[in-house]
Amino acid sequence: GENVEQHPSTLSVQEGDSAVIKCTYSDSASNYFPWYKQELGKGPQLIIDIRSNVGEKKDQRIAVTLNKTAKHFSLHITETQPEDSAVYFCAASQAAGNKLTFGGGTRVLVKP
Amino acid sequence: DTGVSQNPRHKITKRGQNVTFRCDPISEHNRLYWYRQTLGQGPEFLTYFQNEAQLEKSRLLSDRFSAERPKGSFSTLEIQRTEQGDSAMYLCASSLVLGRTDTQYFGPGTRLTVL
Repeated sequence: GENVEQHPSTLSVQEGDSAVIKCTYSDSASNYFPWYKQELGKGPQLIIDIRSNVGEKKDQRIAVTLNKTAKHFSLHITETQPEDSAVYFCAASQAAGNKLTFGGGTRVLVKP
Repeated sequence: DTGVSQNPRHKITKRGQNVTFRCDPISEHNRLYWYRQTLGQGPEFLTYFQNEAQLEKSRLLSDRFSAERPKGSFSTLEIQRTEQGDSAMYLCASSLVLGRTDTQYFGPGTRLTVL
């Protein structure tokens, strides 16, 4: 089955700096890669996703890149703000709507 | 708020007791998923439904676990003879699989503590 590895497990950045989280996956059949943000006591919330026919996608301060050959994808957050502090999860599935396999999470702390 | 709702939000039970959780998906979403999340880990898939049909079950779903979605709307997850290892956050998600509009939206979860 699919295995998703996520790094780093914790990330501390100064407000205004960029944050980068990297994930690798094992199943070459995976073609849908969402990123979720989870705040304390809440369920995961989708922040951006990318499909295998796209190499990069941006939404304001958030961008995701995908390298299907190397089987890795990354989340980039620019101009970080204190409200970006949360746990971020990458995930993969063979098709959107199918079960998601999640990475272990990255705890991001943005210091004011 | 018309998001995914889960009840109860917290459940404390004694080992050996049965518990049941409920999930109400976003209206008209045809897929409903259950995941389990332990502290410091990512969610792990348990099972999912398309309408009322249970399409896939994880190996994590032992015979003490049963999930239903009787009318294709809300779903229940029952754990029989709970064990301390069942302590976790149980997350429900729903999606509308229609073309490419298939994002999974998660509820707030039910935190289970087995004493």
